[in-house]
Amino acid sequence: QKEVEQNSGPLSVPEGAIASLNCTYSDRGSQSFFWYRQYSGKSPELIMFIYSNGDKEDGRFTAQLNKASQYVSLLIRDSQPSDSATYLCAVNYYNTDKLIFGTGTRLQVFP
Amino acid sequence: GAVVSQHPSWVICKSGTSVKIECRSLDFQATTMFWYRQFPKQSLMLMATSNEGSKATYEQGVEKDKFLINHASLTLSTLTVTSAHPEDSSFYICSARDSVGYEKLFFGSGTQLSVL
Repeated sequence: QKEVEQNSGPLSVPEGAIASLNCTYSDRGSQSFFWYRQYSGKSPELIMFIYSNGDKEDGRFTAQLNKASQYVSLLIRDSQPSDSATYLCAVNYYNTDKLIFGTGTRLQVFP
Repeated sequence: GAVVSQHPSWVICKSGTSVKIECRSLDFQATTMFWYRQFPKQSLMLMATSNEGSKATYEQGVEKDKFLINHASLTLSTLTVTSAHPEDSSFYICSARDSVGYEKLFFGSGTQLSVL
């Protein structure tokens, strides 16, 4: 069974710090990787996606992918209290039309 | 980005009744829509993939006779929870995409269903 694993947290960081969120996946046949942010009672919103090994930066966010080790991470620089939310890692497996979500990591940024 | 409209946002119903949830893509045509269910503090679980003009594909363990999905047009998919029971209480979220690739996947605002 294809799985996506995340530490549920909460991960607490002070304002201005770097938050590091990690995700591992079980199937090497994974094709694309996504990070979503979800506020309580709301639907997810896409933060980043990454397809190739290495880093991808977008503003304060950096996604890192290591297919050999089967992990993908999200770094949030200069964390703000408004970044406090649950971050969901999602994986699209090769040759399927499905997006499999991890359980999410709750991030708390305190002033 | 594209907009996916989901209604209603909240619904409270009595046990044994049926509830219909609508998911509309407002400014694009969605040949494929997805329905997810999310229990408190848990992740999104894919229930079914809805394809316009054909039967939905249900995930293992999801009762197709209980969760009826209709994708009659390129902009509308509906999920009907039939004979709802308290254990069906959950947050239901639809999503749709306007092209190949999940970077173009957009989510509705979700429906919180409470069955009394």
